Amino acid sequence: GAGVSQSPSNKVTEKGKDVELRCDPISGHTALYWYRQSLGQGLEFLIYFQGNSAPDKSGLPSDRFSAERTGGSVSTLTIQRTQQEDSAVYLCASSFEGRNEQFFGPGTRLTVL
Amino acid sequence: GQQLNQSPQSMFIQEGEDVSMNCTSSSIFNTWLWYKQDPGEGPVLLIALYKAGELTSNGRLTAQFGITRKDSFLNISASIPSDVGIYFCAGQYPGTYKYIFGTGTRLKVLA
Repeated sequence: GAGVSQSPSNKVTEKGKDVELRCDPISGHTALYWYRQSLGQGLEFLIYFQGNSAPDKSGLPSDRFSAERTGGSVSTLTIQRTQQEDSAVYLCASSFEGRNEQFFGPGTRLTVL
Repeated sequence: GQQLNQSPQSMFIQEGEDVSMNCTSSSIFNTWLWYKQDPGEGPVLLIALYKAGELTSNGRLTAQFGITRKDSFLNISASIPSDVGIYFCAGQYPGTYKYIFGTGTRLKVLA
């Protein structure tokens, strides 16, 4: 069965460039989360979507980070003017609304040179 | 970003030994989750806990939701080589959708 998919799996970019990371949640999952995982660290909450709206954006580290979700499905995380400290694995997870079990994608490994 | 205190950070154990790890927080949570992450993959949910004092098992795994709602532990009995990985706890703040993750326990099992 189709799980959460993310693309690209790896992204190398130059400092100052913009990047877009994509997440395809499990069909029917209305809740969608983005996390950031730095090397050897735990997961840092970035943003939560309920349908197409984002009631909690409190984890976005700066105004260079934004995310949107369309059609209650695909979500895109955009990082503008990337910095080296943005290098990390960006994980997406989805779940049914009100259910605690989040299903994670494999992540996108972002490297900013 | 904010993270839970999880210990130990890493451990080497012999195959067949039991393992115990825990998470503590200064905040109260209404849900505790335990995940395992293999290299290059996203975390996979192992056990979910919803009530203070709750003790739940999943095969060789047992986890408990602390009475104070500020801590949780995970035990793995009779470890096997495929238990290798990073284990994360996660807590959910009451009335929110936000989960805070622990810093992880890296487990290595020696055959």
